[in-house]
Amino acid sequence: GENVEQHPSTLSVQEGDSAVIKCTYSDSASNYFPWYKQELGKRPQLIIDIRSNVGEKKDQRIAVTLNKTAKHFSLHITETQPEDSAVYFCAASNSGGSNYKLTFGKGTLLTVNP
Amino acid sequence: KAGVTQTPRYLIKTRGQQVTLSCSPISGHRSVSWYQQTPGQGLQFLFEYFSETQRNKGNFPGRFSGRQFSNSRSEMNVSTLELGDSALYLCASSPSTTTRYGYTFGSGTRLTVV
Repeated sequence: GENVEQHPSTLSVQEGDSAVIKCTYSDSASNYFPWYKQELGKRPQLIIDIRSNVGEKKDQRIAVTLNKTAKHFSLHITETQPEDSAVYFCAASNSGGSNYKLTFGKGTLLTVNP
Repeated sequence: KAGVTQTPRYLIKTRGQQVTLSCSPISGHRSVSWYQQTPGQGLQFLFEYFSETQRNKGNFPGRFSGRQFSNSRSEMNVSTLELGDSALYLCASSPSTTTRYGYTFGSGTRLTVV
């Protein structure tokens, strides 16, 4: 089955700096890669996703890149703000397949220091 | 539009007891997935239901079971509770027959086993 590795497990940056979180996946059939943000005591929320026919996707200060050959994808947050502090999870799935599940990385605790 | 509703929010049980958790998906969503979230293991897949059928099951013991009703509401049951079952149990719903649109998570049920 799919295995998703996520690094780093913790990341501390100064406000205004950029943050990068990286994930690798094992199943070459995976074609859908969402990212979730979970603030303390709250539910995970989808912040951005990318599909395998696209190499990069941006939404304001957030961008995700995908390298299918290397089987890795990354989340980039620019101009970080204290409200970006949260745990971020990457995930992968074969959206056309029959396993009907997202496999998640173990998460990255991002702390943005004012 | 109402989100994913999980009840109860908090639960304290004793070892050996059983527990039932409930999840009401977003109206019109027919896929419901369950995840166990713990600090060390991240988000681990329990099972997924669509139209009252379990389509996939994670690597959890048979003490963990679930079902889905005709109105798409889902329940999960854990029998013979163990201390290690203490976790946040998250339910997620999806509008699609596949994972291609990601999930919307509920706020979870925090289960503590003493």
